[in-house]
Amino acid sequence: GNSVTQMEGPVTLSEEAFLTINCTYTATGYPSLFWYVQYPGEGLQLLLKATKADDKGSNKGFEATYRKETTSFHLEKGSVQVSDSAVYFCALRVTSGTYKYIFGTGTRLKVLA
Amino acid sequence: NAGVTQTPKFQVLKTGQSMTLQCAQDMNHNSMYWYRQDPGMGLRLIYYSASEGTTDKGEVPNGYNVSRLNKREFSLRLESAAPSQTSVYFCASSVIDREQFFGPGTRLTVL
Repeated sequence: GNSVTQMEGPVTLSEEAFLTINCTYTATGYPSLFWYVQYPGEGLQLLLKATKADDKGSNKGFEATYRKETTSFHLEKGSVQVSDSAVYFCALRVTSGTYKYIFGTGTRLKVLA
Repeated sequence: NAGVTQTPKFQVLKTGQSMTLQCAQDMNHNSMYWYRQDPGMGLRLIYYSASEGTTDKGEVPNGYNVSRLNKREFSLRLESAAPSQTSVYFCASSVIDREQFFGPGTRLTVL
């Protein structure tokens, strides 16, 4: 079946540190991949996406590359800020049939000043 | 544009009570979804509606019913609430082949 596995958190970093949050997936066909971010007390917001292999999604200094050979979509940022503290969700969209989304369990990031 | 709106924001129920969570979107999206979010579990799909007039079960539909009232509105009903349904509920909408947009959530506690 389809699934998404994320590294468990929480991840605690100092401001300006390098961030990596790992995400791997299992899917039939050719899914689209997403990173969503959830700030405290809010709903999820799309952070970036990639729709085919080798695509790189980027937004607000975050990047992730769709790696079909390793079935991965790791999130990276070169220099995190306190304002990046949030929960990050990796997700895939099954493109055949019903267009349902599968979400990972989320990784909480805390950035210290 | 308000995006996706949900009411209420907070609700406390007693076991066995019923309630309906309301969701509306003003983005002319075809598809709408209901998720629940529990600690350590991520988001789990309860029901979805690929288009107006259709609804389908997701991963955890037991204890819930839905109504796609029109293209804008998609409601979630708990007929007889149980403590296991204590959760944060999110509604989302999308164009069929694009990313989802989420509402702010409803925090439900069942005593």
